[in-house]
Parts: sequence; C-alpha cells; structure tokens
Amino acid sequence: ILNVEQSPQSLHVQEGDSTNFTCSFPSSNFYALHWYRWETAKSPEALFVMTLNGDEKKKGRISATLNTKEGYSYLYIKGSQPEDSATYLCALSDAGNNRKLIWGLGTSLAVNP
Amino acid sequence: DAGVIQSPRHEVTEMGQEVTLRCKPISGHDYLFWYRQTMMRGLELLIYFNNNVPIDDSGMPEDRFSAKMPNASFSTLKIQPSEPRDSAVYFCASSPKNPGQHNYGYTFGSGTRLTVV
Repeated sequence: ILNVEQSPQSLHVQEGDSTNFTCSFPSSNFYALHWYRWETAKSPEALFVMTLNGDEKKKGRISATLNTKEGYSYLYIKGSQPEDSATYLCALSDAGNNRKLIWGLGTSLAVNP
Repeated sequence: DAGVIQSPRHEVTEMGQEVTLRCKPISGHDYLFWYRQTMMRGLELLIYFNNNVPIDDSGMPEDRFSAKMPNASFSTLKIQPSEPRDSAVYFCASSPKNPGQHNYGYTFGSGTRLTVV
C-alpha cells in the first residue's frame, strides 16, 4: 500500500518567518508530485506539479524542490504572511498504480501576525 | 469562468434518507472526479469520469454510493440510504486531462459538507 506522509502535521510561525515542510513518498514507480494549498472554507488550489528529480518550482514566496531518488519534496515559504495560513497538501502520482493521485494528510500552517 | 460548481454547500439529513450531491465541471474539462475528505483518511478518490464515462469506481465505499454523469456539464453523487459514518466533505474536481497521467492539476469545487444524524 502506497503511503504519502507529510510532516509536520501542524506548524505555527510568526509573520516574517521563513518555513518549510516535507512530503515523503515511495520512490519506486514515481511519476509526478503535486502540491496544493487549501484555505479553510475554500477548495484546494493547485500550486505545483513536479516530475523531474532535482526540479525546483517557484510561485511568489512559495517554492518547492523534488528528490525522486530518495522520495521527498520540500515546500518553502519565505517571509510568511498571515494569508499563507492554510493546509498544504501533497499528492503522488504513481506509475504503477493506474496513475491515481495518492494524497498526504497535509501540513496545517498558521502564521501569527 | 465560474469554476467547478457544487451544490448544496451544506446538507444535514437523517440516517436512512437519500442524499444527492451535484457538480458542474468547468466547460471543456474532460475529466471529473468525486473525492471525500475526512480528518482521519484525508482526501479519498471515490470515482472519476472521462468524457462522461465512469473509468474507475474502486473507491466507492459500498453499494449505497452511486454516481452518474448524464452529460458533460453535470454529475451527481447519490448516497442511499445515508449513514452517520458518511458524514464528510465531498469535493468534485475537474481537469482537462487526468492529473495522474499528465502534468495537470485539479480544479476543485467548494465542496458539500454532509452531516448525517
């Protein structure tokens, strides 16, 4: 059974702090890794889709890196703002599992003003 | 574009009643997905359609759950009879291609929060 794990489960930071969290996944049969941002009372919003080992993607103050050989991805937020408060989800697309997305449980980020 | 539209936003029903959740995908998106979200299990894929045809329903928990997509602009998820353990947020999502097979993300609807008492 494939398992996508995210850590930490929750995180509290002060406005202006930079932070990062991890998505771990089985490295065999890797196809793609997705990151989503989910604000309370809204729907998940796609951030990045990453496929290549060593890939790095950036969207404003948010960036992500990917290591497919060791099976992890980091999401970084530089200079956190209260509006960054959300749950950040990652999902694995596995080539050996009919290409379904397998979701982690998310990291809940709270940025205190 | 109005995005993926789900209705109702909230539904409270009594155990044993039939519940129907509705979804309008983004026009031109060939793929439609129904997800269930709970605290314990996170996001679970229930079923997905390609060009209105159900492709994979292996995530549908039991025969009490059924989904249809009569045309490209409308899908329903029905639970009959409903049980308290069905209480969750149900999301519909659409995509121009299968996110599991292409570098595309989903566009999610706002979800329906279902409470079965």
